[in-house]
Amino acid sequence: QKEVEQDPGPLSVPEGAIVSLNCTYSNSAFQYFMWYRQYSRKGPELLMYTYSSGNKEDGRFTAQVDKSSKYISLFIRDSQPSDSATYLCAMFPSGTYKYIFGTGTRLKVLA
Amino acid sequence: DAGITQSPRHKVTETGTPVTLRCHQTENHRYMYWYRQDPGHGLRLIHYSYGVKDTDKGEVSDGYSVSRSKTEDFLLTLESATSSQTSVYFCAIGARGQGLREQYFGPGTRLTVT
Repeated sequence: QKEVEQDPGPLSVPEGAIVSLNCTYSNSAFQYFMWYRQYSRKGPELLMYTYSSGNKEDGRFTAQVDKSSKYISLFIRDSQPSDSATYLCAMFPSGTYKYIFGTGTRLKVLA
Repeated sequence: DAGITQSPRHKVTETGTPVTLRCHQTENHRYMYWYRQDPGHGLRLIHYSYGVKDTDKGEVSDGYSVSRSKTEDFLLTLESATSSQTSVYFCAIGARGQGLREQYFGPGTRLTVT
């Protein structure tokens, strides 16, 4: 079993929909949780990070961490065709420098 | 791409040949990373560096070596390329001051081993 599990998709939604992207993990030592967006043939770009449990909001994006369930989510409100990309979750325990990435979920927002 | 360049951007090479990929940063960040990205596996850490001449292995380091003689350059060498090393390679940088929460990625190198 992988340390971080992420549904690969593809996930297709109409423009304006609320999108929910999720990852589960098995290592309870993970403290930092990140979401990256990757457009085709580009490097990943950091969207958001959260430390430990709780929510964080940035514009149309909300990151949520539930450590008791070992579950993290990224919500995208009012989704746009420009949000079409692969979304990767990443996490690591405090005191290390090694990210563990999910495999990524491919999102398509249809105009 | 946060002041990170990778060279070459594309390379085709034959099995058994050595290959060196270069990552160059202009951000003066202490931490640098090499990842490979493959379908179904996501991004996997090959090696990372936490300072000049200071490196450590990641989860898929077999068949790869690295060197860092200057803060701005991190080299990844495939000692004898195999077809299983066909992949997209990404370099990333991270800053200690941000608790390493944030890594910034280069544009990637697409390597094909025939």
